[in-house]
Amino acid sequence: AQSVTQLGSHVSVSEGALVLLRCNYSSSVPPYLFWYVQYPNQGLQLLLKYTSAATLVKGINGFEAEFKKSETSFHLTKPSAHMSDAAEYFCAVSDRGSRLTFGEGTQLTVNP
Amino acid sequence: DGGITQSPKYLFRKEGQNVTLSCEQNLNHDAMYWYRQDPGQGLRLIYYSQIVNDFQKGDIAEGYSVSREKKESFPLTVTSAQKNPTAFYLCASSIGQSNTEAFFGQGTRLTVV
Repeated sequence: AQSVTQLGSHVSVSEGALVLLRCNYSSSVPPYLFWYVQYPNQGLQLLLKYTSAATLVKGINGFEAEFKKSETSFHLTKPSAHMSDAAEYFCAVSDRGSRLTFGEGTQLTVNP
Repeated sequence: DGGITQSPKYLFRKEGQNVTLSCEQNLNHDAMYWYRQDPGQGLRLIYYSQIVNDFQKGDIAEGYSVSREKKESFPLTVTSAQKNPTAFYLCASSIGQSNTEAFFGQGTRLTVV
């Protein structure tokens, strides 16, 4: 079975600082990988996805992620954090067709 | 506008009662999903359906039931057999291919008292 591990359930950064949210996956086949963002009491919104076209994927709101097969990682980054980035972020892997398996999430806090 | 509608947003029920959560989509997606979200546990798959009149159990199906009689609708019933039903429930849909993303509704927060 495929799985996702997000390192760090809480990450805190200062406004303007680099954001790095870590995601490692386990997969027996080339995976499809996704990052979603969730604001309080809302559904999830897609930030970006990796579908094997390019290892560096750019998403919305200035986020990007790099697929590294040798490290089985798909870490999410943003060069400069904004207060509006405060939310919970989920990494997910697609397995057995269209079924998504999610990590446990990382709560991002942005300090002024 | 196309999207996924979950209703109601907040739901309160007494212990021992069955309750049905609604999920409707007008995206013409084949696949639909129900996830349960608890703090610190991410999203866990309850049931999913890849085509009308067919559905499969996810990782935590015990105490839940679903139906898929129409392409656009995938209601979830939380039965009295579910031991800890208080949670945030999210419905999603997708085209149904592994390289495509899922689109989510706004969620229903169920509280059982």
